[in-house]
Amino acid sequence: DVKVTQSSRYLVKRTGEKVFLECVQDMDHENMFWYRQDPGLGLRLIYFSYDVKMKEKGDIPEGYSVSREKKERFSLILESASTNQTSMYLCASSLLQGNNSPLHFGNGTRLTVT
Amino acid sequence: GQQLNQSPQSMFIQEGEDVSMNCTSSSIFNTWLWYKQDPGEGPVLLIALYKAGELTSNGRLTAQFGITRKDSFLNISASIPSDVGIYFCAGASSNTGKLIFGQGTTLQVKP
Repeated sequence: DVKVTQSSRYLVKRTGEKVFLECVQDMDHENMFWYRQDPGLGLRLIYFSYDVKMKEKGDIPEGYSVSREKKERFSLILESASTNQTSMYLCASSLLQGNNSPLHFGNGTRLTVT
Repeated sequence: GQQLNQSPQSMFIQEGEDVSMNCTSSSIFNTWLWYKQDPGEGPVLLIALYKAGELTSNGRLTAQFGITRKDSFLNISASIPSDVGIYFCAGASSNTGKLIFGQGTTLQVKP
């Protein structure tokens, strides 16, 4: 079974802090994704990566950056956290490009910015 | 941008009842996916649909890819308490290949 592990289940940070959300997958998947989940809005794609050191903006990249130095690890960075970034963050990976390769999600990190 | 409209937003039903939810889009999709998110966990793929008109079952779950390629539905028969969770549809545009998620349907089942 694919395992996608997000390092924190809950985080509380202050406005202006730099925040790192870490995600590791153990199945040698090429593709990794960061989504945020908000009630009534579903899942929205922040950034994704199809290869090491490669990144692409999703639908809502503003205020975020990412890092993929190793194939198994994909980090989401909030350079200066703001209260509107309070949300559930979900990391996902998939084996191949294209929608025939299902997404495997982690259990999420619930971030609160005060 | 492209949007999916998923309905209903929430449902509260009695154990044993059947459930139906659907997603519609203004754009044509070439893939429809249905995910379920259990409380405290990430979404898990339930059913994938790749062809217009396709009807696929997974146990008590049945999903269909609409003929117009702009909609999909998910039915759950004889609901049980462990069906509780949030159900998401996701569609991939035939133009962009991009995957878009619906807003989610929160299901609660009363024993």
